[in-house]
Amino acid sequence: DVKVTQSSRYLVKRTGEKVFLECVQDMDHENMFWYRQDPGLGLRLIYFSYDVKMKEKGDIPEGYSVSREKKERFSLILESASTNQTSMYLCASRQSIPTDTQYFGPGTRLTVL
Amino acid sequence: QKEVEQNSGPLSVPEGAIASLNCTYSDRVSQSFFWYRQYSGKSPELIMSIYSNGDKEDGRFTAQLNKASQYVSLLIRDSQPSDSATYLCAVNKNSGYALNFGKGTSLLVTP
Repeated sequence: DVKVTQSSRYLVKRTGEKVFLECVQDMDHENMFWYRQDPGLGLRLIYFSYDVKMKEKGDIPEGYSVSREKKERFSLILESASTNQTSMYLCASRQSIPTDTQYFGPGTRLTVL
Repeated sequence: QKEVEQNSGPLSVPEGAIASLNCTYSDRVSQSFFWYRQYSGKSPELIMSIYSNGDKEDGRFTAQLNKASQYVSLLIRDSQPSDSATYLCAVNKNSGYALNFGKGTSLLVTP
């Protein structure tokens, strides 16, 4: 079974703090994604990575950066957390064969006070 | 124009009925179409993918694609209360593998 894990289930941070969210997959997938999910706005792509050290901006990259130093790990960084970054953050890892499937982690509920 | 549109619902159907979920998309070059299911408090999981015009069946689920009309649908036959969830339509972006998700349709199957 594909397993995608995220470092924290719940996280509370203060405005201005630097926040690291980590995601690890165990299936040697090349492609990994970070989304945020908000009521009424749905699932929105922040950044994705198609290989180690490679990254692409998604639809809402402002205020975020990412790091992928190893294939299995994809980190999302909030350089200076703000209250409007309070959200559910979901990481996903993509299998292309035999079926194109994104496997999601359990999510991190981040609250920025 | 929103890239992937879905009726937010809730769509309520009685147990045993057919649930019909619809989705339209704006990017004509999209080639890959997906339906994900998300239970409350859980993460999305893939139900079906479809790439060619027509119908694709998998058990109680049928995905339908009409590229000319830019329309994707999901039919759930013999709906069960366990099918109650939010269904997310997703379409690949710019002919690549990143996805645009719709906001989801909430389905409630009543016993």
